[in-house]
Amino acid sequence: GDSVTQMEGPVTLSEEAFLTINCTYTATGYPSLFWYVQYPGEGLQLLLKATKADDKGSNKGFEATYRKETTSFHLEKGSVQVSDSAVYFCALRGNYGGSQGNLIFGKGTKLSVKP
Amino acid sequence: ETGVTQTPRHLVMGMTNKKSLKCEQHLGHNAMYWYKQSAKKPLELMFVYNFKEQTENNSVPSRFSPECPNSSHLFLHLHTLQPEDSALYLCASSQDSTGQTYGYTFGSGTRLTVV
Repeated sequence: GDSVTQMEGPVTLSEEAFLTINCTYTATGYPSLFWYVQYPGEGLQLLLKATKADDKGSNKGFEATYRKETTSFHLEKGSVQVSDSAVYFCALRGNYGGSQGNLIFGKGTKLSVKP
Repeated sequence: ETGVTQTPRHLVMGMTNKKSLKCEQHLGHNAMYWYKQSAKKPLELMFVYNFKEQTENNSVPSRFSPECPNSSHLFLHLHTLQPEDSALYLCASSQDSTGQTYGYTFGSGTRLTVV
């Protein structure tokens, strides 16, 4: 069935450092891909998405490119801030097969940014 | 405020109590979901409702009973829970349960503690 694998955390960075959180997926067909962010004590918020190969999603300085050839959707930010400290979830949504259209999440990667 | 409202935010209940979690959305979405988020475990999809009809029940114990009276409201009725049911319960909604390009909108969750 469909699945998402993202890098294990926690990830600790200094302010203004470059961030990469790796995400790869296994899916039937052509899924849409998402990154969600969860701040402490809150639910998940959609950060960005890409719905077809080579699309780049971007928001709040974060970017991710849908790479079908490597089945990846890595999250990047050029200069992180303390306020970016949160848990980041990669997710996919297929339109048939094992996921039946449901959103499939990775396990989440906790990011801590130190001043 | 995401457009999906969950109440209460926090709930402490004994193992013999009966309580209900409420979720409400006025985004015009037709699909609603319950997720369970436990410490150090992946997000677990519990139930899916599409146009008020339950379309998925992921082997959830019968002590959890969902109810979807209309497309805007979703309840999770709880009775005779166990301490291991303590978790953050997240509600989400989307345009429908099959539209793969749409993400989900999440509420802030109900932090449940079973004592």
